[in-house]
Amino acid sequence: DAGVTQSPTHLIKTRGQQVTLRCSPKSGHDTVSWYQQALGQGPQFIFQYYEEEERQRGNFPDRFSGHQFPNYSSELNVNALLLGDSALYLCASSLAAGVPSGNTIYFGEGSWLTVV
Amino acid sequence: AQSVAQPEDQVNVAEGNPLTVKCTYSVSGNPYLFWYVQYPNRGLQFLLKYITGDNLVKGSYGFEAEFNKSQTSFHLKKPSALVSDSALYFCAADTNAGKSTFGDGTTLTVKP
Repeated sequence: DAGVTQSPTHLIKTRGQQVTLRCSPKSGHDTVSWYQQALGQGPQFIFQYYEEEERQRGNFPDRFSGHQFPNYSSELNVNALLLGDSALYLCASSLAAGVPSGNTIYFGEGSWLTVV
Repeated sequence: AQSVAQPEDQVNVAEGNPLTVKCTYSVSGNPYLFWYVQYPNRGLQFLLKYITGDNLVKGSYGFEAEFNKSQTSFHLKKPSALVSDSALYFCAADTNAGKSTFGDGTTLTVKP
C-alpha cells in the first residue's frame, strides 16, 4: 500500500519564478492538506482540499494556490517566488475533511524548495 | 486562535532512562491532539493521538502520552529511552474543522 508520495523531492528556483509541487494521497484517502515547514519551525497549514475544493486555508497569501483532481491527487502552486518561500513543503492525506476530525493524517516525505 | 506550545527546544536523556516531551495547547472546542516524529530530511511520522476517552494514550514504538484537560497538556512519554528515539518531535492540535496547528518541535537526544 503506497503511502503519500510527493514530487519533486528537491528543486531550486529563482525569485519571481513559479513552482508546482505534486502529491498523491495514501490509497483510500480523499483529503489532501499542504503545509510549509521552514527550517527550525513546525509545519504551518497552507490549505486543505476535499472534493476538489479548497475547504480550509491558513494565513498564506494568494500567491499560494492549489488544485485537487478527481483521483484525489493534488498540486500546490506558488507564484512570484520570494526568498522566504524556501522551505520543506509537506503534503498530508486523510479521510473526510469537514467532519469532526481526529482522523490520522499521513505525511509525505516532502519537497524541498530553495529560492535563490 | 488555537495554538500549541512545546516549551523545550531540546531534551537530553540517557539511554534506559524515562523521557518526557512537553506540550500544552490552547484550542476552542474539543481538542484532537497528535504527536509526530521527524527524522532528518524526512517527513512526519504519526506516533499517537488523543480523541476522547482514556487520558493515557499508547502509540507506536513504546511511546505514550497523557492528556490533562485541566492543565491543557498532552505530554509525550516513554519509560525507557533508546538511542534510536533521537529525533525531532512535534505536538499538533486538530480542531473539528480538520486543520492542524503544530508546535515548533522538540529535539530529543538520547545518549548511550
